Amino acid sequence: GAVVSQHPSRVICKSGTSVKIECRSLDFQATTMFWYRQFPKKSLMLMATSNEGSKATYEQGVEKDKFLINHASLTLSTLTVTSAHPEDSSFYICSARDSWGGSGTDTQYFGPGTRLTVL
Amino acid sequence: RKEVEQDPGPFNVPEGATVAFNCTYSNSASQSFFWYRQDCRKEPKLLMSVYSSGNEDGRFTAQLNRASQYISLLIRDSKLSDSATYLCVVNSQAGTALIFGKGTTLSVSS
Repeated sequence: GAVVSQHPSRVICKSGTSVKIECRSLDFQATTMFWYRQFPKKSLMLMATSNEGSKATYEQGVEKDKFLINHASLTLSTLTVTSAHPEDSSFYICSARDSWGGSGTDTQYFGPGTRLTVL
Repeated sequence: RKEVEQDPGPFNVPEGATVAFNCTYSNSASQSFFWYRQDCRKEPKLLMSVYSSGNEDGRFTAQLNRASQYISLLIRDSKLSDSATYLCVVNSQAGTALIFGKGTTLSVSS
């Protein structure tokens, strides 16, 4: 199946620093990528929808100035957590939608996730 | 009402048992339905799509009842390796984000 990578897989940083997470579709083009966040023992919650070449669409309650999303190419979206605080510690997962339909259904592929710990 | 609801469990079963998970969704316009599996501290992985006619993949059987907005997953002959969290996932429209339930935790013991 299609592969989506995320980098870094794990990051530990001090409060107040900014962290950039990359999401790449390795063998397909993705006009749309999604960013999710998962707190311990909770479900994945959609943060934003990232569209190549346009502004991201953020879910209610997600601060767009704090979580900066850039989708500059068909294979790369980045999420930057600005001025991170301990409450931002979470598991961040991206998914990429295969623009060409894959098997004919709306197929989305998940990255392996980035575990962020803010001290 | 939450968009996708699941019994969180945990379900603790012995090897070889049959176990069933249920899920309900609130958006009657939902178009696509899936079961994902998530292992501890890992990303979700697609287990199977769910079709209106019901579908089976080895020991796994999924059912969809659109009238009741209800989805089920049946696992027969449980294996130790089936221990994981099973996520009920719904997509309201092609191209939009997936909506996840909280997941049901399964623990299979020997």
